[in-house]
Amino acid sequence: NAGVTQTPKFRILKIGQSMTLQCTQDMNHNYMYWYRQDPGMGLKLIYYSVGAGITDKGEVPNGYNVSRSTTEDFPLRLELAAPSQTSVYFCASSPDAGSGNTIYFGEGSWLTVV
Amino acid sequence: QKEVEQNSGPLSVPEGAIASLNCTYSDRGSQSFFWYRQYSGKSPELIMFIYSNGDKEDGRFTAQLNKASQYVSLLIRDSQPSDSATYLCASRSGGYNKLIFGAGTRLAVHP
Repeated sequence: NAGVTQTPKFRILKIGQSMTLQCTQDMNHNYMYWYRQDPGMGLKLIYYSVGAGITDKGEVPNGYNVSRSTTEDFPLRLELAAPSQTSVYFCASSPDAGSGNTIYFGEGSWLTVV
Repeated sequence: QKEVEQNSGPLSVPEGAIASLNCTYSDRGSQSFFWYRQYSGKSPELIMFIYSNGDKEDGRFTAQLNKASQYVSLLIRDSQPSDSATYLCASRSGGYNKLIFGAGTRLAVHP
């Protein structure tokens, strides 16, 4: 009963370092997303993917990159980490569009950039 | 800029009372709306979705949608301390199930 799995759960980065947040889902969902949530704020969409090999920018893509080589995996790459990227990152997935279909979240990755 | 607005709270209600959470949205093209509950340090979990004007009930929860007023609400009857959480309102916008979230309303249910 895994659902959406994210790693790592916690990470501290130094300014200028790079890292990859891993995300995998076992529900055979075509749609996958990366959101970030700053304290006291709602979730903001960073990038999304509608299938293997297809990705697109969301509301706040600057400083991030993604790839989607398989249906299951959707890693998020942070290049040259900045303090403004300190946040909680949620990966999510969804079945294809339908009136009731919504997205299901992983447990989150807490990232601090110092 | 498509937005979803919520009062940040905290909304404090006594145990057993009705909690009323409200949300407005700016995109008239939005068709579906979602309520998520988020406990501190946890990921959001779906409570309900609604896409037709009127009320939709599920157990102690009722979602209400008024598209003319661009207004969505969530009523929680017989509130319990375990309902204490942040409630996120979201609208689906732009296809591919992309959601725009409000900042959330913090609900505190006191015994």
